[in-house]
Amino acid sequence: IAGITQAPTSQILAAGRRMTLRCTQDMRHNAMYWYRQDLGLGLRLIHYSNTAGTTGKGEVPDGYSVSRANTDDFPLTLASAVPSQTSVYFCASSVQAGYNEQFFGPGTRLTVL
Amino acid sequence: AQKITQTQPGMFVQEKEAVTLDCTYDTSDQSYGLFWYKQPSSGEMIFLIYQGSYDEQNATEGRYSLNFQKARKSANLVISASQLGDSAMYFCAMRVLLTGGGNKLTFGTGTQLKVEL
Repeated sequence: IAGITQAPTSQILAAGRRMTLRCTQDMRHNAMYWYRQDLGLGLRLIHYSNTAGTTGKGEVPDGYSVSRANTDDFPLTLASAVPSQTSVYFCASSVQAGYNEQFFGPGTRLTVL
Repeated sequence: AQKITQTQPGMFVQEKEAVTLDCTYDTSDQSYGLFWYKQPSSGEMIFLIYQGSYDEQNATEGRYSLNFQKARKSANLVISASQLGDSAMYFCAMRVLLTGGGNKLTFGTGTQLKVEL
């Protein structure tokens, strides 16, 4: 099935724990993105990757890291989770970095207690 | 700073009627793109329509059209012949170029649309 998959669907996590959110796309898109969605704030970019092997910081990168070892995968890691990282996380991809449309994954709902 | 403003937190429309969702934007860039996404209660983000800043004609996709008024910096979404399945949150977004060479979407806070019988 073509598209973007994210795992887990949801997770409850104790503060201070390390967590990796997984994102895989099979569309061979070069660019990938991580957003977080919070009520009243819309979606905000955390990190992005224009192509495999490169990453960049978005508008809210603190507390998060990413890697892009290959075209398909773009995991997001919370090294030491804090309650303010409670959010819905969306992974997205686009054909190229400047290409028009971004396709979104189904999201991961993360609760940090 | 680039910004998207959606001033309607919630809207109601009767089935089969048309509805306009407002979106204004702020940017100093000459080249930009404007998008509308739909987020139903199930949570996924669904791309609806795109308008480039240099496109002279308003974008249309089926029942969706984008009323692009560049001088007013507005990009309103028009949904014709509303259906119950159109009930969802709608986000306006603008493509913004990043210093590092990538791009991001800057989103508004959304409009919750409810279609009634």
